[in-house]
Amino acid sequence: AQTVTQSQPEMSVQEAETVTLSCTYDTSESDYYLFWYKQPPSRQMILVIRQEAYKQQNATENRFSVNFQKAAKSFSLKISDSQLGDAAMYFCAYNKGAGNMLTFGGGTRLMVKP
Amino acid sequence: KAGVTQTPRYLIKTRGQQVTLSCSPISGHRSVSWYQQTPGQGLQFLFEYFSETQRNKGNFPGRFSGRQFSNSRSEMNVSTLELGDSALYLCASSLGEGSPQHFGDGTRLSIL
Repeated sequence: AQTVTQSQPEMSVQEAETVTLSCTYDTSESDYYLFWYKQPPSRQMILVIRQEAYKQQNATENRFSVNFQKAAKSFSLKISDSQLGDAAMYFCAYNKGAGNMLTFGGGTRLMVKP
Repeated sequence: KAGVTQTPRYLIKTRGQQVTLSCSPISGHRSVSWYQQTPGQGLQFLFEYFSETQRNKGNFPGRFSGRQFSNSRSEMNVSTLELGDSALYLCASSLGEGSPQHFGDGTRLSIL
């Protein structure tokens, strides 16, 4: 079974600085999808970024970018120019592509200091 | 475009009762998935429906069931409620495999 591990339960960053959240996963598949979701206290899960495993190019969305290392099964999220609104739980998720089942990591709570 | 709508937002039940949660997906989305979120177990996949058929099922007891209607709306039912069923239940819809899933605000279920 696939597993997703987020080794940092909590992280903090100063406003305007850069922070990187770690995620590793275990799979025997060659084609799959990886996601980062954000869950603020309002509790709605919001998609941050998506990566297709067959694409070598790292995905970016404005201030958010990933470092996807397929061989190492690593998928880290970099947040640049951190803002107070970035404070939330961040979840890394894996989808093997047969259907839409997501396997989530345990989450990282990100705090942003003004 | 309206997002994923889950009703009700909050629910309080007692042990032994049953409950039905509802989810209306984004228009055009045929896949609906359900997740349970608890502090102890994190986010766990319950099941996925696509075109009224259950396509994937997580590792939950048979007390947890669901269905999807022809308009893609989905319901989740939990029978014989236990204290451990207290959780946030999230519904997500998507266009297809590998597509981003869009989540609703969830239903907070509390069992007394």
